[in-house]
Amino acid sequence: KAGVTQTPRYLIKTRGQQVTLSCSPISGHRSVSWYQQTPGQGLQFLFEYFSETQRNKGNFPGRFSGRQFSNSRSEMNVSTLELGDSALYLCASSSGLSTGTGTNEKLFFGSGTQLSVL
Amino acid sequence: SQQGEEDPQALSIQEGENATMNCSYKTSINNLQWYRQNSGRGLVHLILIRSNEREKHSGRLRVTLDTSKKSSSLLITASRAADTASYFCASTDSWGKLQFGAGTQVVVTP
Repeated sequence: KAGVTQTPRYLIKTRGQQVTLSCSPISGHRSVSWYQQTPGQGLQFLFEYFSETQRNKGNFPGRFSGRQFSNSRSEMNVSTLELGDSALYLCASSSGLSTGTGTNEKLFFGSGTQLSVL
Repeated sequence: SQQGEEDPQALSIQEGENATMNCSYKTSINNLQWYRQNSGRGLVHLILIRSNEREKHSGRLRVTLDTSKKSSSLLITASRAADTASYFCASTDSWGKLQFGAGTQVVVTP
């Protein structure tokens, strides 16, 4: 089975721009969750999608949004980029059959997208 | 905010020694998981312990859970250079969100 694939691996943007990151989960997995990782804040939960519906959401501003397609692939979008959005963005997939993110389930992570905002 | 706090923040040991790291969490949990992250890469799941379990083993890993103290520990026995990584605990909070601790950076030198 192929693992979780995130594209692109690296991205450089300037303030004010927007960016779209992509995540393809493991075949058969219906849940995709997104995390932001920075040296200062650590791993922060962004949101989780299951069967094309947002099932859970972290405490991030509305500039951060996501969606999931019928094939379970997911995208996240950040609009009006700020310097503080520079981070490693990780997505993770699971079958999602348990209630809530990761409940009684392990997550499979992609290698991440390293976003630098200049 | 993070659900878990980990201790120590960093750990440097020699090959063959054991490495122990601790994790504390704030709210009641269904389970607690441990993940490893090699520099700048994705996280790899190591072990999951349920709230009704006290100890679990997987190869050279031993995890304990004390729900009365809201804490868990991860022991890596007979460490190897390949164990050099950051280790994170993660727990599911009451809203179903998986929250990660700040992580322990482990360096194993030959």
